[in-house]
Amino acid sequence: SQTIHQWPATLVQPVGSPLSLECTVEGTSNPNLYWYRQAAGRGLQLLFYSVGIGQISSEVPQNLSASRPQDRQFILSSKKLLLSDSGFYLCAWTFTPRVGYTFGSGTRLTVV
Amino acid sequence: EDQVTQSPEALRLQEGESSSLNCSYTVSGLRGLFWYRQDPGKGPEFLFTLYSAGEEKEKERLKATLTKKESFLHITAPKPEDSATYLCAVQAVSTSYDKVIFGPGTSLSVIP
Repeated sequence: SQTIHQWPATLVQPVGSPLSLECTVEGTSNPNLYWYRQAAGRGLQLLFYSVGIGQISSEVPQNLSASRPQDRQFILSSKKLLLSDSGFYLCAWTFTPRVGYTFGSGTRLTVV
Repeated sequence: EDQVTQSPEALRLQEGESSSLNCSYTVSGLRGLFWYRQDPGKGPEFLFTLYSAGEEKEKERLKATLTKKESFLHITAPKPEDSATYLCAVQAVSTSYDKVIFGPGTSLSVIP
């Protein structure tokens, strides 16, 4: 069966520090991968999605970046965090959104 | 602009008290409408996909319906374990095929 792993679960980082969140999928090949951010009381905001290795589409201009170095690995990064980067970050995969996403357990990021 | 809204923002029900959650959407064309359940501190869990007006889907005490402008999630005789945030999402023809727009969610509390 397919599983998705996301870590760390919680992270407290100072303003200006770098960020690296990792997501891996097991039990499937060539999935579509997504990074979403969820702010309190707001809907999920799509940050990046990838349909293949090295193929990244960005939805929101910001100081975050994403990379997909391997088929089942998706990384979210930042060189310098801002206070506004705080939030709940979710990784997800699917073959097509019409059958629903499978989400990871999320990372709670607090920038202080 | 494609948009998804949900009401109410929060709902408290007594155990056994049936009710409905609303999801209203404004899109140029609908590929699919999705319902997810999200427990605190966790990633959303996929419930249903609805593709066209008049379609209905059921799962245990939950029943989702779809019209041309909105969807309802009916909860029959809810139990405390149904307490969660319910998210509605839409995939629109006008957006990138892989893009799904999420609503802000309805927080449901079922009191024993």
